[in-house]
Amino acid sequence: GAVVSQHPSWVICKSGTSVKIECRSLDFQATTMFWYRQFPKQSLMLMATSNEGSKATYEQGVEKDKFLINHASLTLSTLTVTSAHPEDSSFYICSARDPRTAKNIQYFGAGTRLSVL
Amino acid sequence: QQQVKQSPQSLIVQKGGISIINCAYENTAFDYFPWYQQFPGKGPALLIAIRPDVSEKKEGRFTISFNKSAKQFSLHIMDSQPGDSATYFCAASIMSGGGADGLTFGKGTHLIIQP
Repeated sequence: GAVVSQHPSWVICKSGTSVKIECRSLDFQATTMFWYRQFPKQSLMLMATSNEGSKATYEQGVEKDKFLINHASLTLSTLTVTSAHPEDSSFYICSARDPRTAKNIQYFGAGTRLSVL
Repeated sequence: QQQVKQSPQSLIVQKGGISIINCAYENTAFDYFPWYQQFPGKGPALLIAIRPDVSEKKEGRFTISFNKSAKQFSLHIMDSQPGDSATYFCAASIMSGGGADGLTFGKGTHLIIQP
């Protein structure tokens, strides 16, 4: 299957700082990537859809100024958590849609665990 | 509003047994139903997926059964092994619109296979 790399895998930051998470499709070009958030032992919740070359589409209730998404190339999308606070601590996971597959399969990165002190 | 309901929340099965996880959806526009397996601290990995034009799909020990009229689908893991112990998520999305929709996940099932 296709490979999606996410970096960093774990980050600890102080309250008020910003954190950038990268999501890369390693062996295919992804015009569409997705960002999810997962709380401990809970499901994944779609935060936003990242489209290459255009603005991201945010789900209802997700603050676009808090979670900045940039999809500057066909293989890279970034999520920046601005002015992070302890309540932003969570597991953030990206996925990329593989356009080579007839079923538009989404492949997931390994996730980034964010801990805000 | 939870669009994909998954049950049970947790499941314990003896090695060699059949694990069955059920999901029900509400949005009739959904036309792609994947199942994902997730180990602690890792991202979800696609196991198997089905479109509503078929009632069953089998890949190795994993089978999806799909009932369009009831808006239900289930995952069956045959000959369950300890290595299958993980959290399983059903999901749904709309593919017909070009595949640009994110996935709506169920709440997950924590599966434990006892040796």
